[in-house]
Amino acid sequence: GIQVEQSPPDLILQEGANSTLRCNFSDSVNNLQWFHQNPWGQLINLFYIPSGTKQNGRLSATTVATERYSLLYISSSQTTDSGVYFCAVEGSARQLTFGSGTQLTVLP
Amino acid sequence: ETGVTQTPRHLVMGMTNKKSLKCEQHLGHNAMYWYKQSAKKPLELMFVYSLEERVENNSVPSRFSPECPNSSHLFLHLHTLQPEDSALYLCASSQVFSSGEQFFGPGTRLTVL
Repeated sequence: GIQVEQSPPDLILQEGANSTLRCNFSDSVNNLQWFHQNPWGQLINLFYIPSGTKQNGRLSATTVATERYSLLYISSSQTTDSGVYFCAVEGSARQLTFGSGTQLTVLP
Repeated sequence: ETGVTQTPRHLVMGMTNKKSLKCEQHLGHNAMYWYKQSAKKPLELMFVYSLEERVENNSVPSRFSPECPNSSHLFLHLHTLQPEDSALYLCASSQVFSSGEQFFGPGTRLTVL
């Protein structure tokens, strides 16, 4: 099946810093989503972005489908941004496959 | 609030118990999913229900039994579970199966003693 790799696995930032999270995938995809999982386990939808670029406030994402990667940018990070960020892709198997996540800690 | 609710939020059960997890979506979607999230592992798809079909991960043990009485409700019936089944169980829905954005409920944190 499709492989999804996220990097870095862990990231510690000072409040106000910017960061880039990466998601590589091994095959062509029909669907790509970025999620933020809060400490209580809730997965919050950030972007549905099988291709192109989207922005939502301090967050933006870019997917380059032909090169099989997606990037999530977080600018001016806040402590509330802490948590695990997941990339999930859907390929020919018609199911979402999740990466292992990036654990982000933003320090005050 | 994603429009997907799950109950209970926490469950502790013995290996001989039978319990059920409930999921309800208020989004008018036609596909619903069960995922398992174990510690230090990526989310794993367990079951999919849609108007057209049911899909299941063949690696899911038979002690997990899904039920989908209508397009808004999804249950996961649990019986004779093992301690390694302790995990966060997440429900999700999407407009149609295999297409479009999935929205997740808050999860049920299950502990099997």
